[in-house]
Amino acid sequence: NAGVMQNPRHLVRRRGQEARLRCSPMKGHSHVYWYRQLPEEGLKFMVYLQKENIIDESGMPKERFSAEFPKEGPSILRIQQVVRGDSAAYFCASSPGTGGTGELFFGEGSRLTVL
Amino acid sequence: DAKTTQPPSMDCAEGRAANLPCNHSTISGNEYVYWYRQIHSQGPQYIIHGLKNNETNEMASLIITEDRKSSTLILPHATLRDTAVYYCIVRSGDSNYQLIWGAGTKLIIKP
Repeated sequence: NAGVMQNPRHLVRRRGQEARLRCSPMKGHSHVYWYRQLPEEGLKFMVYLQKENIIDESGMPKERFSAEFPKEGPSILRIQQVVRGDSAAYFCASSPGTGGTGELFFGEGSRLTVL
Repeated sequence: DAKTTQPPSMDCAEGRAANLPCNHSTISGNEYVYWYRQIHSQGPQYIIHGLKNNETNEMASLIITEDRKSSTLILPHATLRDTAVYYCIVRSGDSNYQLIWGAGTKLIIKP
């Protein structure tokens, strides 16, 4: 029973390149959440998606960042034209949706370093 | 969602109970108290949650004051592997996520 899978675990990009982070939710989970974490800080919500729909993207920068959760395949967080300030750990979480305990199940994160 | 306040760090001796406080004085009636922890560089891990009553599971106990303005997470017999940052989060019962997590409490278990 695999948990939330994120890849790559570590990604290095030069300024101006694109970063693409992938997240496969737990089996049976239809809700995906992306968070960003800077060193020594708490997580900051970015975006909440259900299959083929963005439910809440209020925490995501308007430019350069986009997210999708297609009908088939993993959720993808895309950062275009990366800058040094994008260096952070990006965590994905999933939940079954309605009902349950409201618990979020987190992946191990993707650590982006922008040179 | 209500804001929470936690001490930035705490120490606890191995084998003793670790009591982590959280203040959530602006909590509203339909908001739950959730606790997660993050062991160094790993993804956050759910610990426990509650609304009004005290709760206990295999990991911890959660004590919520009668006025619900504060709570305490209790790890009954702390081990070195419990060293982590512990986050107290308050969220509405009908929303499944939290916009901002605070800095949490860094708990260090000492041998």
